[in-house]
Amino acid sequence: DAGVTQSPTHLIKTRGQQVTLRCSPKSGHDTVSWYQQALGQGPQFIFQYYEEEERQRGNFPDRFSGHQFPNYSSELNVNALLLGDSALYLCASSLEGTRSYFGAGTRLSVL
Amino acid sequence: GESVGLHLPTLSVQEGDNSIINCAYSNSASDYFIWYKQESGKGPQFIIDIRSNMDKRQGQRVTVLLNKTVKHLSLQIAATQPGDSAVYFCAENRTGRRALTFGSGTRLQVQP
Repeated sequence: DAGVTQSPTHLIKTRGQQVTLRCSPKSGHDTVSWYQQALGQGPQFIFQYYEEEERQRGNFPDRFSGHQFPNYSSELNVNALLLGDSALYLCASSLEGTRSYFGAGTRLSVL
Repeated sequence: GESVGLHLPTLSVQEGDNSIINCAYSNSASDYFIWYKQESGKGPQFIIDIRSNMDKRQGQRVTVLLNKTVKHLSLQIAATQPGDSAVYFCAENRTGRRALTFGSGTRLQVQP
């Protein structure tokens, strides 16, 4: 049983570009949350998707958007990248109301 | 505002000793707390959780203590091993809220 998988593992972009990160939840999970983890900090909640809808959002600008597909996988899109967007992006999946499981993350570097 | 913070950024212990990692939270409405372990290059890994109707919960070599009076929780690791070296985060949630709020983490270094 595969856990939460994220792709790519590493990504390098330049300022102003757009990026898409992908997440496949743990088998049986229907809820996907995205977190941003800056170096030396704890993860910060970006948003959560359930039944293909964003149902809660953290304090992130509209440049951050997402999508959930019918198979529960999810994408995180970031437009107009800034240097400060450099971070580890974590995906967590859960079955409604249960424990969250995290993927290994995508390391995004913005130059 | 709400926050979850840790008292010590780095904790160094000898192999075989017990480790105690502390965490303070500020929101009295928090009713669910989780400890995560994050090794280099990996995502956070669940260790143990506790709900606010409990004061103590034990797992394999780990114990979480919750003191709601002073809004404090701790993670105790018995007989610390080199494989326990990692960054430990406490996180909190409360009923009706989707997001976990994480602290900034404590790095545990186990000396041989």
